[in-house]
Amino acid sequence: GAVVSQHPSRVICKSGTSVKIECRSLDFQATTMFWYRQFPKQSLMLMATSNEGSKATYEQGVEKDKFLINHASLTLSTLTVTSAHPEDSSFYICSARRGPQGETEAFFGQGTRLTVV
Amino acid sequence: SQKIEQNSEALNIQEGKTATLTCNYTNYSPAYLQWYRQDPGRGPVFLLLIRENEKEKRKERLKVTFDTTLKQSLFHITASQPADSATSLCALEYSSASKIIFGSGTRLSIRP
Repeated sequence: GAVVSQHPSRVICKSGTSVKIECRSLDFQATTMFWYRQFPKQSLMLMATSNEGSKATYEQGVEKDKFLINHASLTLSTLTVTSAHPEDSSFYICSARRGPQGETEAFFGQGTRLTVV
Repeated sequence: SQKIEQNSEALNIQEGKTATLTCNYTNYSPAYLQWYRQDPGRGPVFLLLIRENEKEKRKERLKVTFDTTLKQSLFHITASQPADSATSLCALEYSSASKIIFGSGTRLSIRP
């Protein structure tokens, strides 16, 4: 199957600093990537949809100025958590799709465990 | 707003038995319904996709049904194995948007 690589897998940062998470599709071009966050024992909550070359579409309640998404190429999307606070600590997961909507499954990265201290 | 309910937080069954997981949704039916598994600390892994006009889909020991009248999907794992233990996630996609919305998941445990 297709491979989506997410980096870093774990990161600890101080409160007030920014953290960048990368999501790469290694063997296919992804016009659309998705960013999710997941709290312990809860399901994945969609944060935003990232389209190559255009602005990301954020879900209701997600602060776009706090969670900056850049999709500069067909194989890379980045999520930057700006001015991180302890409540931003979570498991962040990206996914990418190879084909048009509904025709293919989504491939997920291995996730990034963010801890803000 | 649309709700997706996986009405069992956890399901424990004996190895070799069939595990059946339920996914219910409200309002209108999705164009596509998918099932994923997720291991602790990892991203989800795709298992099966079923379309709105399909009633059943099979893949090896896995079977998914989709009943748009009941607004329900059932996910069956036959001859279950301890390696099947994971959180099973139901996910919906609507034709009007490309985003995938996930249910709360069911933690499946297969005991030897």
